[in-house]
Amino acid sequence: SQKIEQNSEALNIQEGKTATLTCNYTNYSPAYLQWYRQDPGRGPVFLLLIRENEKEKRKERLKVTFDTTLKQSLFHITASQPADSATYLCALHYGGSQGNLIFGKGTKLSVKP
Amino acid sequence: DAMVIQNPRYQVTQFGKPVTLSCSQTLNHNVMYWYQQKSSQAPKLLFHYYDKDFNNEADTPDNFQSRRPNTSFCFLDIRSPGLGDAAMYLCATSTDSYQETQYFGPGTRLLVL
Repeated sequence: SQKIEQNSEALNIQEGKTATLTCNYTNYSPAYLQWYRQDPGRGPVFLLLIRENEKEKRKERLKVTFDTTLKQSLFHITASQPADSATYLCALHYGGSQGNLIFGKGTKLSVKP
Repeated sequence: DAMVIQNPRYQVTQFGKPVTLSCSQTLNHNVMYWYQQKSSQAPKLLFHYYDKDFNNEADTPDNFQSRRPNTSFCFLDIRSPGLGDAAMYLCATSTDSYQETQYFGPGTRLLVL
């Protein structure tokens, strides 16, 4: 079965630094991968989508890379701020035409002032 | 603003007492999903509707049922809640095209006493 691992349960960094979160997967070749942000007690919010034929995608201070050979995606937040503190989930499309996703457990990011 | 609404935000029920969670959307999306998320775990897809077409995940317990009376509304019925069913239940929507993002509601936190 498909397996997704976000290799850090928690990541603590200083304000202004770049946060790098990792998502690894096995047993599948997803056509695309998404990153979501989830605040405590709230539903996930979509951030970025990257397709298998794209190496990198950017949105403001966010950058996502997708290496289908390594079966890995990296999610970067540059110039991090305390407001970026949240749990970040990666999600893979695993088949079908309705966009079914399998989610990782997430990495809880804490940005200290 | 177009959105996904879940009611109630918190639900307390008794062991074995049927409970219904509701979700509505103003996005006019064809696909609606129900996820279960336990503390520090990944959201787990229970089932989804593509229009009126119901799709059950293979490992979703029979105790969980769903109804979608129209495009805007979807319900999650738990016929006999057990202590292990205490979780956050997330509703999400997407359009019917491939590689689409999912829009999540705020979730309903279910407590089983």
